[in-house]
Amino acid sequence: QKEVEQDPGPLSVPEGAIVSLNCTYSNSAFQYFMWYRQYSRKGPELLMYTYSSGNKEDGRFTAQVDKSSKYISLFIRDSQPSDSATYLCAMIMGGKLTFGQGTILTVHP
Amino acid sequence: KAGVTQTPRYLIKTRGQQVTLSCSPISGHRSVSWYQQTPGQGLQFLFEYFSETQRNKGNFPGRFSGRQFSNSRSEMNVSTLELGDSALYLCASGGSGRTTDTQYFGPGTRLTVL
Repeated sequence: QKEVEQDPGPLSVPEGAIVSLNCTYSNSAFQYFMWYRQYSRKGPELLMYTYSSGNKEDGRFTAQVDKSSKYISLFIRDSQPSDSATYLCAMIMGGKLTFGQGTILTVHP
Repeated sequence: KAGVTQTPRYLIKTRGQQVTLSCSPISGHRSVSWYQQTPGQGLQFLFEYFSETQRNKGNFPGRFSGRQFSNSRSEMNVSTLELGDSALYLCASGGSGRTTDTQYFGPGTRLTVL
């Protein structure tokens, strides 16, 4: 079993939809959680960085962490075609990032 | 502020050869990490350097090695290349060197082994 599980999708939604992306993890030692966005042929770009359980909002993006359930989510409101990318959850422990498999998202006009 | 730069961007090698990839972190960043990304395994941690010392290491064979210079630039070397080494190799830099630092990625070097 992988330490971080993420549904690879692909996920296809119409423009304006609310997108929900999720990851589960098995190691309770993970304390810091991130979401990265990766466009084709580019490196991952940091979207959100959270530590505590609860919600963190940044524009159209909301990151949610539930440490008791070992579950993290990223919500994208009013999705746009420019949001089409691969979304990777990641967790840091001892300077090492452990990534989920990534979810491929397509937002069609 | 300039981002993380990696050279070369693309590389084609044959089995048995060796390759060296280069990474220049964001100015002022002292930590550099390397990752391998493949369709099957996703993003996997190779190693991390801080102040010219390897601080963390992933589960890769000894054919994969790296180093960091006094200006924080880093190189990664893969010897005796295998077909399975074909991947996107990503470098990430962190700021103050805390193990919980946000890591910023470069565009990657795409290595193809024939």
